[in-house]
Amino acid sequence: DAGVTQSPTHLIKTRGQQVTLRCSPKSGHDTVSWYQQALGQGPQFIFQYYEEEERQRGNFPDRFSGHQFPNYSSELNVNALLLGDSALYLCASSFRTGGLSPLHFGNGTRLTVT
Amino acid sequence: GIQVEQSPPDLILQEGANSTLRCNFSDSVNNLQWFHQNPWGQLINLFYIPSGTKQNGRLSATTVATERYSLLYISSSQTTDSGVYFCAVVSNDYKLSFGAGTTVTVRA
Repeated sequence: DAGVTQSPTHLIKTRGQQVTLRCSPKSGHDTVSWYQQALGQGPQFIFQYYEEEERQRGNFPDRFSGHQFPNYSSELNVNALLLGDSALYLCASSFRTGGLSPLHFGNGTRLTVT
Repeated sequence: GIQVEQSPPDLILQEGANSTLRCNFSDSVNNLQWFHQNPWGQLINLFYIPSGTKQNGRLSATTVATERYSLLYISSSQTTDSGVYFCAVVSNDYKLSFGAGTTVTVRA
């Protein structure tokens, strides 16, 4: 039973570029959420997708957008990259939205913006 | 938004010692989870515990929702217990908030 998978594992981009990160949820899960974790800090909630719609959103600018596909996989897009966007990006999946079931995390994508 | 405070921020243990990590939150929550982040960045779900007490091997957790805190107990610590322990809560608006974490170092 595959857990949550994320790709790529590492990525280096230049300021101003755009990036797309991908996530496949654990089998049986239908909800995907994304988090940004800066070095030495706890993860910060970006947004959550359920039934192909954004259901909740944290305090992130519109440069951060996402998508969920019919197979429940998800993408996180970040436009106009800033140096401050360098972080570990984590995807988590769960069953049903609302945070009322346990979250399972992928191994993350480490994004470096130069 | 809801505030999540974890203490202590850092903990150094000798192998075999016991310890208690604390998580305080500022408002009522729908659920609470404890995670362990290993040195490679992987977040492992330890407990899903909106209330009550649960045990899993050498780890146990207690959440007292009415008093807005949760405790994680590590008994007979091992070097593999090293890493960062996070408490995360889901507030009534269904957003997940993490604490800043407790960094645990277990020395052989």
